[in-house]
Amino acid sequence: QKEVEQNSGPLSVPEGAIASLNCTYSDRGSQSFFWYRQYSGKSPELIMSIYSNGDKEDGRFTAQLNKASQYVSLLIRDSQPSDSATYLCAVNVEYGNKLVFGAGTILRVKS
Amino acid sequence: DAGVIQSPRHEVTEMGQEVTLRCKPISGHDYLFWYRQTMMRGLELLIYFNNNVPIDDSGMPEDRFSAKMPNASFSTLKIQPSEPRDSAVYFCASSLFGPAGGSGANVLTFGAGSRLTVL
Repeated sequence: QKEVEQNSGPLSVPEGAIASLNCTYSDRGSQSFFWYRQYSGKSPELIMSIYSNGDKEDGRFTAQLNKASQYVSLLIRDSQPSDSATYLCAVNVEYGNKLVFGAGTILRVKS
Repeated sequence: DAGVIQSPRHEVTEMGQEVTLRCKPISGHDYLFWYRQTMMRGLELLIYFNNNVPIDDSGMPEDRFSAKMPNASFSTLKIQPSEPRDSAVYFCASSLFGPAGGSGANVLTFGAGSRLTVL
């Protein structure tokens, strides 16, 4: 089992809709969870970080964490064509500072 | 701050040649990470440093790869000899604290990457 798993997509949503991206992880000791966005040919940039169970909202983005189910998700409300990118889930593993990334989910927002 | 600075941005070399990639982390950041990204394997952690000391190099693929951090403002990733399968984008990232810390200061900031092509 991979340490961090994501559906590769592509996930296609119409403009204005809610995009839901999901991620599961295998290490029960993980404490820090991140969502990065990566445009084609660019470097990953942080969208959200979350450390506690529940929801964390920042503008159009909401991260959700459920440690019991080892599940983290990212919701993007009012999706825009500019949100089209690859979204990477990252989790610290081995009770330490090793940050492992999922393979990423490609999101396409159609206008 | 200028962010994480990597050089070169693009490198094309022939199999068997030595390749050196360079990274300048954000000033004051104590952690530095080297990642490699390919279509097949995604973003893989190669090695990370804390206060210039290598902490985990379990992701370094083989002895052909080596990384150093002689001071807080400079790190290198060297491949000798290079092979076509080393072709990838190599990212350097830095953070104030390590990812294990549950605070906003443990966020990794990535450089623009070095795209390596080995012919």
